[in-house]
This record gives sequence, C-alpha cells and structure tokens, in this order.
Amino acid sequence: LAKTTQPISMDSYEGQEVNITCSHNNIATNDYITWYQQFPSQGPRFIIQGYKTKVTNEVASLFIPADRKSSTLSLPRVSLSDTAVYYCLVGATDSGGGADGLTFGKGTHLIIQP
Amino acid sequence: KAGVTQTPRYLIKTRGQQVTLSCSPISGHRSVSWYQQTPGQGLQFLFEYFSETQRNKGNFPGRFSGRQFSNSRSEMNVSTLELGDSALYLCASSSQGAEETQYFGPGTRLLVL
Repeated sequence: LAKTTQPISMDSYEGQEVNITCSHNNIATNDYITWYQQFPSQGPRFIIQGYKTKVTNEVASLFIPADRKSSTLSLPRVSLSDTAVYYCLVGATDSGGGADGLTFGKGTHLIIQP
Repeated sequence: KAGVTQTPRYLIKTRGQQVTLSCSPISGHRSVSWYQQTPGQGLQFLFEYFSETQRNKGNFPGRFSGRQFSNSRSEMNVSTLELGDSALYLCASSSQGAEETQYFGPGTRLLVL
C-alpha cells in the first residue's frame, strides 16, 4: 500500500482558498487518489477522487502532477463549517481482486477562523 | 437513497463482555468494511465482507470477528472486551469492493469500562 504524508494541521480564514498537499511517493500505476473529510464523531465523507491532472467537482478541486507522487486538494472560499480532518488516501488492489481496505493516515486537521 | 446506518450509536460495556454491532449498507452495495478509530491510532481497517464472505482482514486479534448476511447487512463482534477496545467503530459500504469509494455510516461509539 502506498503510504501518504500530509501536514498534521493547517489554519486559514473564511473566504480564503485552502490547499492541502499530500505526498505519495510509492503510488502504483493502478492507484487512484481519494480525499475524505471527517467531522468529529462522524464517519469520513468522500470529497473527490482522481488519477491524474485535474479533477473538479462542486466541493473541491484535485491537482495531480504528471509523476503522481503528490496531490493537492484545493478548497475554494472556505467557511467555518469546513473545519474538519482531511484524509488523503491512495487505493491499492491485491492480485486476488479484493482490497486491503482503505489506509487512512493521520490526516490534516484544518481549522478555519472567522 | 438511504445512507449507511449503524446500530447502536452508543454503547457502554465492561471488560470481559462481548458486543455485537450492526451495519446496514446502502441499498445495492455488496461490500461492507469495518474500521476502528481511536485518537491514538487513527482509522484502522478491520475487515471487509463481500457477498457474505470475508475478503480481507486487517491486523486485529481474533477477538474481532464479523459476518455478512444475504441482504448485505453486516455485524461485527468483539469478544472479551478490553479497555483498549474503546473506540468509534465505523462501517463503510461500496458497490464492488473496499478499493472503491466508500460511504461511511455515523459509527458506533463503544466505551469499555
């Protein structure tokens, strides 16, 4: 499984754009990059997933450089409600067709201030 | 479409007891995965069930077990509870497997005294 490295915490202010970078040097050819958001005492929530270049949805954008060894989650115009832990995951599928489950790192605790 | 549901939401047990947690996946999803989340260890994969078969297992002792029924509902059992089993237990479902985007339930908060 590809290991991921993210900053432990980040601070920003309402209305700002926030970029959270994740390193995954050992990403495999068939791995996708997925980001989840988790609020206290709730299950993680899928935000966005990508394989290469750029992916955008109504919530965020995901930038993946050509070498795919890192990725950046971009949250436009954050609000107080975006305060949460953000996890970067790199999927892995074993040869038997199953999976080892999602490997969550420590995540990035994003704190948005007024 | 209803989301993943877990029951009970909160549970208090004492050491040595056993506990069963339940998870109902999103309709049509065949894969159910279980995770344990603690402040110290973060989110850790317990096991995944697909079509009533355990397909993958994380690095947890045999006290942790599970099963999946024909309607894809899943249960997780922990026997001989220890204080360190206090955690948020999360269930996630996906249509084909744990490598796909997972949809998590709200979790069951277990406190072992």
